Amino acid sequence: AQKITQTQPGMFVQEKEAVTLDCTYDTSDPSYGLFWYKQPSSGEMIFLIYQGSYDQQNATEGRYSLNFQKARKSANLVISASQLGDSAMYFCAMRGGEIQGAQKLVFGQGTRLTINP
Amino acid sequence: EPEVTQTPSHQVTQMGQEVILRCVPISNHLYFYWYRQILGQKVEFLVSFYNNEISEKSEIFDDQFSVERPDGSNFTLKIRSTKLEDSAMYFCASSPWDEQFFGPGTRLTVL
Repeated sequence: AQKITQTQPGMFVQEKEAVTLDCTYDTSDPSYGLFWYKQPSSGEMIFLIYQGSYDQQNATEGRYSLNFQKARKSANLVISASQLGDSAMYFCAMRGGEIQGAQKLVFGQGTRLTINP
Repeated sequence: EPEVTQTPSHQVTQMGQEVILRCVPISNHLYFYWYRQILGQKVEFLVSFYNNEISEKSEIFDDQFSVERPDGSNFTLKIRSTKLEDSAMYFCASSPWDEQFFGPGTRLTVL
């Protein structure tokens, strides 16, 4: 069974600072994928970044990067130069198994990030 | 940019009534999903759908739930007899392969 753990229920950061949101995972699947989603107060789920377990390099998308440490089973999200609009709930999620496609995502509990001006 | 759409955005129903939640996935995607999120809790998987059949379903997805792709574009979730505990945000997602793109959600309130 797959499990995602996000240990930070809430974080408060000053605008323009970098922030790291923690995510650890547990799986016995040799092949898996890790995702981060942003959920603003309006409720939609916005895809941010994806890391495959066999990817050699850490994923990056603009101000978002994923610090993937396979041996430690961690997939932390780093947001550089935070902005007020980054205030939201952030979810880490995993899909697993050898066969890609049509595979459920297992989500963590989320971290509520608040950016202070 | 193509996106997943869901209707209605908010549905209020009486306990015991049937509801149908509708989703239009991104057109060239092959895999479809329903998730739900009870207020203040994490997102939970309900069901995945591929090639016109259910690929996997969770223990939440009991006989009260069903999914259909009636016309090649819409993807629906039906709850036959709603219960109070079905109140949640319901998200549809679609995927071409790995990345899953979520719709804006339908907030279901059961009274």
